[in-house]
Amino acid sequence: GQQLNQSPQSMFIQEGEDVSMNCTSSSIFNTWLWYKQEPGEGPVLLIALYKAGELTSNGRLTAQFGITRKDSFLNISASIPSDVGIYFCAGQVTDSWGKLQFGAGTQVVVTP
Amino acid sequence: NAGVTQTPKFRILKIGQSMTLQCAQDMNHNYMYWYRQDPGMGLKLIYYSVGAGITDKGEVPNGYNVSRSTTEDFPLRLELAAPSQTSVYFCASSLVLADEQFFGPGTRLTVL
Repeated sequence: GQQLNQSPQSMFIQEGEDVSMNCTSSSIFNTWLWYKQEPGEGPVLLIALYKAGELTSNGRLTAQFGITRKDSFLNISASIPSDVGIYFCAGQVTDSWGKLQFGAGTQVVVTP
Repeated sequence: NAGVTQTPKFRILKIGQSMTLQCAQDMNHNYMYWYRQDPGMGLKLIYYSVGAGITDKGEVPNGYNVSRSTTEDFPLRLELAAPSQTSVYFCASSLVLADEQFFGPGTRLTVL
C-alpha cells in the first residue's frame, strides 16, 4: 500500500529549543494536516495545508506543503513543556474521497 | 457543542464476545470515520461513511461492522472479539472532504 514516512520517531529536547519533523510520501497529496495527540486524548488539528508551497503558522508552529506535493514539515519554535505529545502528519491522496493516511507519529519530550 | 463523543472510554472483552463502540457528533457533519491506533503506529482507517445510510470499508475492515442510520451516530460493531483487536479506537467526523477531521477522545479496548 501507500507509504507515509514520518521522522524522527521521537525527540528529546530542552525547553527553549526548536523542533523540526517531516513526512514524506510516495504519492502526491492534495492536503497535508498536522495533528497533536496528548496522552488519553484524540488527535487535535494544529495546521492544515492545501496548496503546494504553502507555508502556514499557528503561534509557534509553522508547517509547509512541499513543492513536489509529496512532503511536508512542521517546526515548533522555542519549545515549552506543554509541547509534549505525539505529532502526526496526515495526507489526503488525490481521489481518495477525503480519506486520510497518517504517519506513525513523532513523540516529543521537552525537559526543563 | 460537545463535538465528537465516544463511549465507553475503556472496555475489556473476552475472546469471542461482541460489543458496540458508540460514536456521536453534534456538528451536523456528513462524513464520519472509525480508526484504530496501535502502539507506535499511525491511525488506520477501519470504516467510513459519507452520509446516513452510506458506509464503506477502509484499510482494515475485517472483524468489524458499521451502520449509519442517522447523521449524528456511527456505531462500530465487533462481533467475535479477538486479541488482535486490542487497540485504541477513534471516531472522527468532518464537514467536507479534504478538510480537517475532528476526533473523539477514543475507546481503549483490550481483548483477553
